[in-house]
Amino acid sequence: GEDVEQSLFLSVREGDSSVINCTYTDSSSTYLYWYKQEPGAGLQLLTYIFSNMDMKQDQRLTVLLNKKDKHLSLRIADTQTGDSAIYFCAESNNNAGNMLTFGGGTRLMVKP
Amino acid sequence: DVKVTQSSRYLVKRTGEKVFLECVQDMDHENMFWYRQDPGLGLRLIYFSYDVKMKEKGDIPEGYSVSREKKERFSLILESASTNQTSMYLCASSFGLARSFDEQFFGPGTRLTVL
Repeated sequence: GEDVEQSLFLSVREGDSSVINCTYTDSSSTYLYWYKQEPGAGLQLLTYIFSNMDMKQDQRLTVLLNKKDKHLSLRIADTQTGDSAIYFCAESNNNAGNMLTFGGGTRLMVKP
Repeated sequence: DVKVTQSSRYLVKRTGEKVFLECVQDMDHENMFWYRQDPGLGLRLIYFSYDVKMKEKGDIPEGYSVSREKKERFSLILESASTNQTSMYLCASSFGLARSFDEQFFGPGTRLTVL
């Protein structure tokens, strides 16, 4: 099956930028997603990008997609302690029933 | 606001017990999903349902079954719980109906411990 990989852990200082990276194997991905999971909670969709785009910006969040290298990144500007969470990358494929394939999650720790 | 609720936040069961995890959504969604979440492995799909009484196996269905008798409710059943089923279980729902972009909305999760 298709695979999505992320690093397990990232630590940054408050006010710095965070960059969380993700690689995937499905060359026919339709959408790519970033979900956020705060402690003790379920997942919440943070942002998503259509596969024919290479960048999407939403306030402090910037998503970059390199389709050739199958690489997705999420940049959080001016990272705050409230951004501490686990971030999951996921992809879906319209030809495969739109099921989501998730990465293992990156735990972001923001130090004051 | 879409709301997906799960019957328990924490559950402790013994090996061999039958376990029911319940999930309810209030947005008339067609699709419902059960995942398990384990550290470093992300979310893995156990089963999903695209309509009442319809179910499809996900990536790791062994040891689990599901029931969807009503549109808003999707139950996950562990017929005989084992220690390797200790995990966080997440339910999700989505509009479905062949939408190109179909956001999944998640419940808060049930942390199950099997002793």
